[in-house]
Amino acid sequence: DADVTQTPRNRITKTGKRIMLECSQTKGHDRMYWYRQDPGLGLRLIYYSFDVKDINKGEISDGYSVSRQAQAKFSLSLESAIPNQTALYFCATSDFDSAGGRGYTFGSGTRLTVV
Amino acid sequence: SQQGEEDPQALSIQEGENATMNCSYKTSINNLQWYRQNSGRGLVHLILIRSNEREKHSGRLRVTLDTSKKSSSLLITASRAADTASYFCATAQGGGGNKLTFGTGTQLKVEL
Repeated sequence: DADVTQTPRNRITKTGKRIMLECSQTKGHDRMYWYRQDPGLGLRLIYYSFDVKDINKGEISDGYSVSRQAQAKFSLSLESAIPNQTALYFCATSDFDSAGGRGYTFGSGTRLTVV
Repeated sequence: SQQGEEDPQALSIQEGENATMNCSYKTSINNLQWYRQNSGRGLVHLILIRSNEREKHSGRLRVTLDTSKKSSSLLITASRAADTASYFCATAQGGGGNKLTFGTGTQLKVEL
């Protein structure tokens, strides 16, 4: 099994629908992140969590919410999807200090299309 | 806003040649990391260089960091077709708990 698993891998949804993207990890890391990738814009941080009781907004949190259900699970919700949320979404994890040399571990991504 | 910007945006070379990608950033950092992404897949961590280091090697990878110029370079020596991918730099600012800010990436194509 992958260290960081994202479900679903692909999803097409309609404008206005609520959708949840799920992420689970077996790394035992405390820190988890949700990024969005758009062509030409790189990865942008949506939300991050440094432990189960800690949730923080990233640079583009509007229109999104998250839930950290356990150390291993971090889900991202789009309450009312809109077409400009069409993107590739990545979950990532890290240990306490990414400067320790191991960096982030990424999931394989969820390709979301809002029509 | 993007912290890092890679240059060039796209690079095409022949197998066996060296590939050099550059990254510039705006604010002071704790460390800088390079990641690789094969088409549409998750990013894979390649190498990390701390702010007090100037050069680091890992296999065919060589990373340099110039904090006075706020820039880094990634050199891939003796490139292979399998190196074809997008490469991203990411910076960790200490004030933000070392969370990463990614650049826009360089698309590398290595042709046979």
